[in-house]
Amino acid sequence: KNQVEQSPQSLIILEGKNCTLQCNYTVSPFSNLRWYKQDTGRGPVSLTIMTFSENTKSNGRYTATLDADTKQSSLHITASQLSDSASYICVVGVFLSGGSYIPTFGRGTSLIVHP
Amino acid sequence: KAGVTQTPRYLIKTRGQQVTLSCSPISGHRSVSWYQQTPGQGLQFLFEYFSETQRNKGNFPGRFSGRQFSNSRSEMNVSTLELGDSALYLCASSLGPLAGGSYEQYFGPGTRLTVT
Repeated sequence: KNQVEQSPQSLIILEGKNCTLQCNYTVSPFSNLRWYKQDTGRGPVSLTIMTFSENTKSNGRYTATLDADTKQSSLHITASQLSDSASYICVVGVFLSGGSYIPTFGRGTSLIVHP
Repeated sequence: KAGVTQTPRYLIKTRGQQVTLSCSPISGHRSVSWYQQTPGQGLQFLFEYFSETQRNKGNFPGRFSGRQFSNSRSEMNVSTLELGDSALYLCASSLGPLAGGSYEQYFGPGTRLTVT
């Protein structure tokens, strides 16, 4: 079972509508949580970074929330645009024994915005 | 300023060969991380270099190795290629180490490796 689960796997919405993507994780101890946007054929682009002490972080029309107690994060997209069509990936940073740090990726949510 | 560059962009190799991929980070960035992306496994962390030292390593076999030079440029090497190594290999750079918490990571466009 993947330690970082994202839902839904895919989502289709109309331009101008809002949507929320979910990320649930089981890995610990938790260091930070990142959301990325990846367009087809391109490298991911950072949207937000949150440490364990932060509850919310915004970047324009993107707002990420984090509940470290329930190990859940969400990414809310407001007033969607056609250019929001992409894969959205949640990444949880974990400290392993010995102090090493491993970013653990979710499988992503594929978002399609229709005109 | 210039973004992260990766060379080559596309590569075709034969099973059993070895390959070296190159990554040039954004100027001033000292951390370079490497990732493998496949349709089956998604994105997976390979390793991170910071100031020429490997800081962190993912769960990949020893055939995957890397290094970082004094100018922060990094190379990744895969020896004895297998069909399953076909993937998009991405590198990313940041000012500080991944474990630093809040450093933005900037990804390159990736190298598409096909093993036949």
